[in-house]
Amino acid sequence: GNSVTQMEGPVTLSEEAFLTINCTYTATGYPSLFWYVQYPGEGLQLLLKATKADDKGSNKGFEATYRKETTSFHLEKGSVQVSDSAVYFCALRALYNQGGKLIFGQGTELSVKP
Amino acid sequence: GAVVSQHPSWVICKSGTSVKIECRSLDFQATTMFWYRQFPKQSLMLMATSNEGSKATYEQGVEKDKFLINHASLTLSTLTVTSAHPEDSSFYICSARESSAGQLYGYTFGSGTRLTVV
Repeated sequence: GNSVTQMEGPVTLSEEAFLTINCTYTATGYPSLFWYVQYPGEGLQLLLKATKADDKGSNKGFEATYRKETTSFHLEKGSVQVSDSAVYFCALRALYNQGGKLIFGQGTELSVKP
Repeated sequence: GAVVSQHPSWVICKSGTSVKIECRSLDFQATTMFWYRQFPKQSLMLMATSNEGSKATYEQGVEKDKFLINHASLTLSTLTVTSAHPEDSSFYICSARESSAGQLYGYTFGSGTRLTVV
């Protein structure tokens, strides 16, 4: 079946540090992959996405590349800010004929200190 | 961009009462809506999928008689927690998706509802 595994948090970094949050997946076929961000007490916001192998999604300085060979979609940012503190969820979207559901990883909490 | 309005943002109710949560797509037609439940510091657990005009499909282990989902129009889905108990206290999030002719478009999430049952 389809599943997503993320590195466990919490991750604590100093401002301007480099960020990597690992995400690997198992899936039937070639799903679309997403990163969502959740700020405290709020819903989820789409951060970036990639729909096919070797695609790179990017937004607000965050990047992730769809790696079919390693079934990974790691999130990176070169220089984090305090405002990036949030919970990050990696997700895959099942194929249309599988219901097209979003399947989430367990989430990784990021805390950035000044 | 696409906006989903979820209401209320938070609600406190007495044990044994029912609570209704609304999820509206404001500027697009949502053929499918999803309801999730999130426990503190945990991931989103999909509860059910609802398609406009048909019965919701519940995930395994979710009580359909306790969590009533109605998707009567292309812009509105409701989740009613019936006879709520303290263990139903949680953060509930809806998501709306537009799809057409086998193509899937984006998912847009509501801002969530914090339910506390006392």
